[in-house]
Amino acid sequence: DIQMTQSPSTLSASVGDRVIITCRASQSISSWLAWYQQKPGKAPKLLIYKASSLESGVPSRFSGSGSGTEFTLTISSLQPDDFATYYCQQYNTYSTFGGGTKVEIK
Amino acid sequence: EVQLLESGGGLVQPGGALRLSCAASGFTFSSYAMNWVRQAPGKGLEWVSAISAAAISTYYSDSVKGRFTISRDNSKNTLYLQMNSLRAEDTAVYYCAKDPDGDLHFDYWGQGTLVTVSS
Repeated sequence: DIQMTQSPSTLSASVGDRVIITCRASQSISSWLAWYQQKPGKAPKLLIYKASSLESGVPSRFSGSGSGTEFTLTISSLQPDDFATYYCQQYNTYSTFGGGTKVEIK
Repeated sequence: EVQLLESGGGLVQPGGALRLSCAASGFTFSSYAMNWVRQAPGKGLEWVSAISAAAISTYYSDSVKGRFTISRDNSKNTLYLQMNSLRAEDTAVYYCAKDPDGDLHFDYWGQGTLVTVSS
C-alpha cells in the first residue's frame, strides 16, 4: 500500500500569509495527486488534481506542485475562508489520503 | 447543479448489516464512475470502494473487502453500498463521490451519512 504523509499536521497562520503544505508518498505516484479542503461538518472540496491542475472555480491563490514522491500545496495569500483542514490524496494505485493539515488562525 | 444525497445511515449492532444509498442528480450518472469514502469521527478520509460507470468493475479497500458490496442502478441514478458483518471500526460518516475521469479522484461529494456500529 502507498502511504501518504502530510506535514505539518497543524499550521498557525495569519490572513495574508503564504502557506505551504507538504505531502510525501511512500513510493512514486507520478503526478496522480489531488488536494482537498474540508471545513468542520462539511464534505471535502476538490482544489487541485493531477498535482498541479486547478479545479474549476477554485481561486488562483491555490497552487500545487511536485511529482514522484514530493508534493506541495501553496496558498499564496491566506484568506479568512481558507482556515480549514487540507488533505492530499494519491490515486496512482487505488486511493490513499494523507492524515490532514489543519490551518488555524494565529 | 450536481447533487449527491446519501441516506440509510444509522445505529447498528456489531455483526449487523446496513445499506446506504446515494441519489444523484444534475449530471449524466451512467457516464461516471462512483465511489464511497468514509471518515471516522475526528479522523481523516479513507477510500472505501469504487464502481465503474457501467458497473462492470468494482474495487474495494482491504479493510472492507469481502464484507461490503458496491452497486449502482443507472436507471434510478442511485449508488448503493451494502455493508455486512459490521464492526465498531466501521463507524464513520460515509460520503459518495463522483469520479470525473475514472481515475479515483473526486470532483463532487455528498453531504455524508453517519453509520454508528455499537451495542
